[in-house]
Amino acid sequence: QVTLRESGPALVKPTQTLTLTCTFSGFSLSTSAMCVSWIRQSPGKALEWLALIDWDDDKYYSTSLKTRLTISRDTSKNQVVLTMTNMDPVDTATYYCARTLYGDFYSDFWGQGTLVTVSS
Amino acid sequence: QSVLTQPPSVSGAPGQRISISCTGSSSNIGSNYEVHWYQQLPGTGPKLLIYGNNKRPSGVPDRFSGSKSGTSASLGITGLQAEDEADYYCQSYDSKLDVVFGGGTKLTVL
Repeated sequence: QVTLRESGPALVKPTQTLTLTCTFSGFSLSTSAMCVSWIRQSPGKALEWLALIDWDDDKYYSTSLKTRLTISRDTSKNQVVLTMTNMDPVDTATYYCARTLYGDFYSDFWGQGTLVTVSS
Repeated sequence: QSVLTQPPSVSGAPGQRISISCTGSSSNIGSNYEVHWYQQLPGTGPKLLIYGNNKRPSGVPDRFSGSKSGTSASLGITGLQAEDEADYYCQSYDSKLDVVFGGGTKLTVL
């Protein structure tokens, strides 16, 4: 079955760089139309899409955050990594990774999420 | 401010039917991009409820339905149950190359 799990620091300081890892199983990111997305949710707020990497190693970023984000993959480890630079308290959120289908861009399997707090 | 607009809250009694609207624009829903819906139960991650405007993943009861017209979409839930109390989000794609979500709707079962 398809599973995804996010890992990374629970606490980062302002201006630091956040690195999150999504480890998945049950599918291959080398398979056509397979993608992995990162989505976040600030406390009490809506979902916000951040980035996506597809089976062809093409990368897509949120227009508003693209200067701060980098997404990459290690297909041998079934991992996708997201880095976000210059973290700010407003970036405090639960960060999810999800399997996403290219074309329609819906996410059919999600991780449980990891809460990242930005505070000095 | 979300690109897709949803009502902040809706409510209904058990057994009733409710609908949740999702309004976009000509650069997303109106550009023929499909609409998807997610259910987020309290304290959990989102779960895909409807994809491709009106398709249900395996395991989702047929009490849940989706529709789309013009620049708007709608999620319908019939035979409302207490376990349906959750936040619901619509999602589409925008021609500015962004995946976009609605602001979410909190469903309260009275």
